[in-house]
Amino acid sequence: DGGITQSPKYLFRKEGQNVTLSCEQNLNHDAMYWYRQDPGQGLRLIYYSQIVNDFQKGDIAEGYSVSREKKESFPLTVTSAQKNPTAFYLCASSEQGGSYNEQFFGPGTRLTVL
Amino acid sequence: AQSVTQLDSQVPVFEEAPVELRCNYSSSVSVYLFWYVQYPNQGLQLLLKYLSGSTLVKGINGFEAEFNKSQTSFHLRKPSVHISDTAEYFCAVSQRPDTGTASKLTFGTGTRLQVTL
Repeated sequence: DGGITQSPKYLFRKEGQNVTLSCEQNLNHDAMYWYRQDPGQGLRLIYYSQIVNDFQKGDIAEGYSVSREKKESFPLTVTSAQKNPTAFYLCASSEQGGSYNEQFFGPGTRLTVL
Repeated sequence: AQSVTQLDSQVPVFEEAPVELRCNYSSSVSVYLFWYVQYPNQGLQLLLKYLSGSTLVKGINGFEAEFNKSQTSFHLRKPSVHISDTAEYFCAVSQRPDTGTASKLTFGTGTRLQVTL
């Protein structure tokens, strides 16, 4: 089955530590996205990538970093510079970066900072 | 810039009753519109989308939405809800891109639909 996988499902981090969230897709999609979801705030775009080795900042990129070395993979690193990292993180992909294209979402990773 | 307003954070409804979830958007250019559903602790699933053409769009699970350009709205409706429709619903908008403009989805804050017996 084609789809998007995110790991781990739950992640706990101590303050001051960097942590990397995994996102893999086997849909052969060109574009990939990372969103942050907080209660009552909907989804906010962190970073997105339309092709390999290229990515752009979204609306809330501060304290986050990404890489896109392979078409299938788009890992997100939450750095110690992110002041309030506890949230639900969703990865998505689409055939192209065009705005008419449906985005397919992974199951999410819930990050909790202890 | 574009924005999306979902006026109701929660909508309680009895099973088999009709429901309407409201969505208004703001954009200076033409847009594409989407409704997604999220079940607890899961990702989002596309219900339906409006790209062009007929303003009444039918989606999965018996949902439909109507695009109203003059009122800048894209309300989601279902004539008879089921317990299994209990979930969070998100309206989203993206701009029709200019050449060289990257595309992004802007989401509303979500509406929690709670269906009870």
